[in-house]
Amino acid sequence: AQTVTQSQPEMSVQEAETVTLSCTYDTSESDYYLFWYKQPPSRQMILVIRQEAYKQQNATENRFSVNFQKAAKSFSLKISDSQLGDAAMYFCAYNTQGAQKLVFGQGTRLTINP
Amino acid sequence: GAVVSQHPSWVICKSGTSVKIECRSLDFQATTMFWYRQFPKQSLMLMATSNEGSKATYEQGVEKDKFLINHASLTLSTLTVTSAHPEDSSFYICSARQALNQPQHFGDGTRLSIL
Repeated sequence: AQTVTQSQPEMSVQEAETVTLSCTYDTSESDYYLFWYKQPPSRQMILVIRQEAYKQQNATENRFSVNFQKAAKSFSLKISDSQLGDAAMYFCAYNTQGAQKLVFGQGTRLTINP
Repeated sequence: GAVVSQHPSWVICKSGTSVKIECRSLDFQATTMFWYRQFPKQSLMLMATSNEGSKATYEQGVEKDKFLINHASLTLSTLTVTSAHPEDSSFYICSARQALNQPQHFGDGTRLSIL
């Protein structure tokens, strides 16, 4: 069964600095998708970034980028120039190509210190 | 783009009543919608997957007679919590997906409190 593990329940960073959130996953599939979702205190789930496993190039969305290491089954999220609005729960998620459902990690609570 | 509206955002009702939650994709057609439950400080727990025009597929341990799901159109799915009890109090979130390999887009969630 596929699993997603976020080993950092909580992280904190100073405003304007860079922080990296870890995510590892377990799968025997070769084609799949990885996602990072953000859940602020409002509890809305917001898609931050998406990575297709067949792409070697790491996905980037403005201040958010990923380090995708397929062989190591690692998918970390780097947030540059952290802002107060980045404070949220961050969930890593996975689904195989053709699969119906997402598998979520346990989440990492990110605090931004002013 | 890819906006999902969920209504109501908060509902309080008496034990024994039924509560209906709506999930609408506003600017795209959703072939598949998902319903999740989230307990405080925990991750999302998938309850069921709903394809338009088909019966929902429930996850193991989720009572299909308790949580009725209808996906009658490509833009609307509903979750009805029947004969709700205090243990059903939780945060329920829906998501919608346009096609198989597209990301899920989430509604704002519904906080359900059963007295």
